[in-house]
Amino acid sequence: AQSVAQPEDQVNVAEGNPLTVKCTYSVSGNPYLFWYVQYPNRGLQFLLKYITGDNLVKGSYGFEAEFNKSQTSFHLKKPSALVSDSALYFCAVRDMNGRWDSSYKLIFGSGTRLLVRP
Amino acid sequence: EAQVTQNPRYLITVTGKKLTVTCSQNMNHEYMSWYRQDPGLGLRQIYYSMNVEVTDKGDVPEGYKVSRKEKRNFPLILESPSPNQTSLYFCASSSGTGQTYGYTFGSGTRLTVV
Repeated sequence: AQSVAQPEDQVNVAEGNPLTVKCTYSVSGNPYLFWYVQYPNRGLQFLLKYITGDNLVKGSYGFEAEFNKSQTSFHLKKPSALVSDSALYFCAVRDMNGRWDSSYKLIFGSGTRLLVRP
Repeated sequence: EAQVTQNPRYLITVTGKKLTVTCSQNMNHEYMSWYRQDPGLGLRQIYYSMNVEVTDKGDVPEGYKVSRKEKRNFPLILESPSPNQTSLYFCASSSGTGQTYGYTFGSGTRLTVV
């Protein structure tokens, strides 16, 4: 069965330091991978996606993610964290080899809360 | 502006009183979906719709109904709400084609059932 794991409930980092939010996935076919961010009292906002091509994907607000097929991972990274990056981050996957209708489905991880301290 | 609009943003209701959460998108997307978000569980799909008059159950459909009479609207109906349906609900839409392959989400509806 398809699944997404975010092993850390919370990540704490000092402003200016690099950050990593971990994500691993399990799908039967080719994965389409996404990261979304949720700020307090807001909906989910798209950060970046991996469909195909370069394993390093760059997205909004200086974030990037590295697709690693052998480790089935898609970790979110940023070279220098800002206090304003503090939010809830969700990794999600679409299994593109499933039924045509179920392939639209996004499967989400449980979320990782990022706290950036000044 | 391309968006998904949910209403209401906040709702407190009593057990058993029927309610509807509305969702509307202005992007002519075929696919729409409802999710609920609970702490530690992430987002779980309730129902989805591939197009007008085409709906199907997601992972947690019990206690919910949906309809898709028009392409832009996808209301979520709770016929007899119970406290375990207290949650944060999100509507989302997707074209599934082009470069995006992702979802556009509404701002969410925080529902409390007492």
